[in-house]
Amino acid sequence: DAKTTQPTSMDCAEGRAANLPCNHSTISGNEYVYWYRQIHSQGPQYIIHGLKNNETNEMASLIITEDRKSSTLILPHATLRDTAVYYCIVRVELVGGGADGLTFGKGTHLIIQP
Amino acid sequence: DAGVTQSPTHLIKTRGQQVTLRCSPISGHKSVSWYQQVLGQGPQFIFQYYEKEERGRGNFPDRFSARQFPNYSSELNVNALLLGDSALYLCASSRQGARGYTFGSGTRLTVV
Repeated sequence: DAKTTQPTSMDCAEGRAANLPCNHSTISGNEYVYWYRQIHSQGPQYIIHGLKNNETNEMASLIITEDRKSSTLILPHATLRDTAVYYCIVRVELVGGGADGLTFGKGTHLIIQP
Repeated sequence: DAGVTQSPTHLIKTRGQQVTLRCSPISGHKSVSWYQQVLGQGPQFIFQYYEKEERGRGNFPDRFSARQFPNYSSELNVNALLLGDSALYLCASSRQGARGYTFGSGTRLTVV
């Protein structure tokens, strides 16, 4: 799986958009970008994933650059409950029943300030 | 629907002992995987089971073993515990074709 680079920590004001960057310059053509987050004392939670087109769901938006070497997770209106560690993971498409798991790095600790 | 449930939530063991951790997946999920999360690090993949068969294994010693039962629940066993095995152990489940895993809240294991 391709390696990812994320900032160790970030701050964002409550109500503002939180933009979390991820670099994945060695991504392969068949690898997706997945985002998970982990709120303190809980298991990781799936947020969103994409291949090359921008994606949006009820939680967030994912913007992938045209060369696919980096991406940004956007939380449009951050709340205090969005304070968590956010993990960017690059791998071939994850399909339930497959053989291998997720490779987590250290992620970005996002702190939402009141 | 109940989420992924793990038991116990907390556990203290002594070096050299053995421990068994349990996981019940979401109803209808046939795939279960286990992760170890040491303080300050991201979760590390240990095992993947699907339809009661081991489908994948991370870089962990043979002291770690697991199994999946006919009802798709799973157990993780760790023998000869070391201080370094102290961690949060996470279980995740998914259904075939799903694009993401659902994680439980984990079992906090402390080895003293």
